[in-house]
Amino acid sequence: NAGVMQNPRHLVRRRGQEARLRCSPMKGHSHVYWYRQLPEEGLKFMVYLQKENIIDESGMPKERFSAEFPKEGPSILRIQQVVRGDSAAYFCASSRTGPRETQYFGPGTRLLVL
Amino acid sequence: GESVGLHLPTLSVQEGDNSIINCAYSNSASDYFIWYKQESGKGPQFIIDIRSNMDKRQGQRVTVLLNKTVKHLSLQIAATQPGDSAVYFCAENPTDKLIFGTGTRLQVFP
Repeated sequence: NAGVMQNPRHLVRRRGQEARLRCSPMKGHSHVYWYRQLPEEGLKFMVYLQKENIIDESGMPKERFSAEFPKEGPSILRIQQVVRGDSAAYFCASSRTGPRETQYFGPGTRLLVL
Repeated sequence: GESVGLHLPTLSVQEGDNSIINCAYSNSASDYFIWYKQESGKGPQFIIDIRSNMDKRQGQRVTVLLNKTVKHLSLQIAATQPGDSAVYFCAENPTDKLIFGTGTRLQVFP
């Protein structure tokens, strides 16, 4: 049973470009969460999605960031017009029935903005 | 604001000794707590969890203790091994998202 999959594992972008991060949850999981981690810090919640719905985006910056989890395909975290401060590791997690159970994490995407 | 913090940013232990990693949380509404292990370049790996109706829970070589009175959580690792070297995070789940602490780095030396 494959775990949470994320790609790309590493992504380099220049300031002003767009970054697209993909996450495929564990089989049978319909709840997806995105977190951001700066070096030497804990993970910070960004957004919680179910299929075709954003449930909680309270941790998402108001501008340039968006997330989706379509009926078919992976969840996408999109960052438009990236700035150097967006450089971080972005982790996706999934759970089967909801947020009050164990969330399993993917390997992360490390975004570097030049 | 809500926060989960750790007392010791780095913990060095000798192989074979027991390790204790501590964590304080501030949200009284939290009723579910999780410990994750994160190795360099990898995502957080679930270790053990505990709900607020319990004081203690044991896994393989790991034990989590919860003291709701003082809002304190600890992770005990028995017979620490080199493979236990990593950063350990506690997290609380009061609503629909995990709130992570800043982490404790565990270093195991021979």
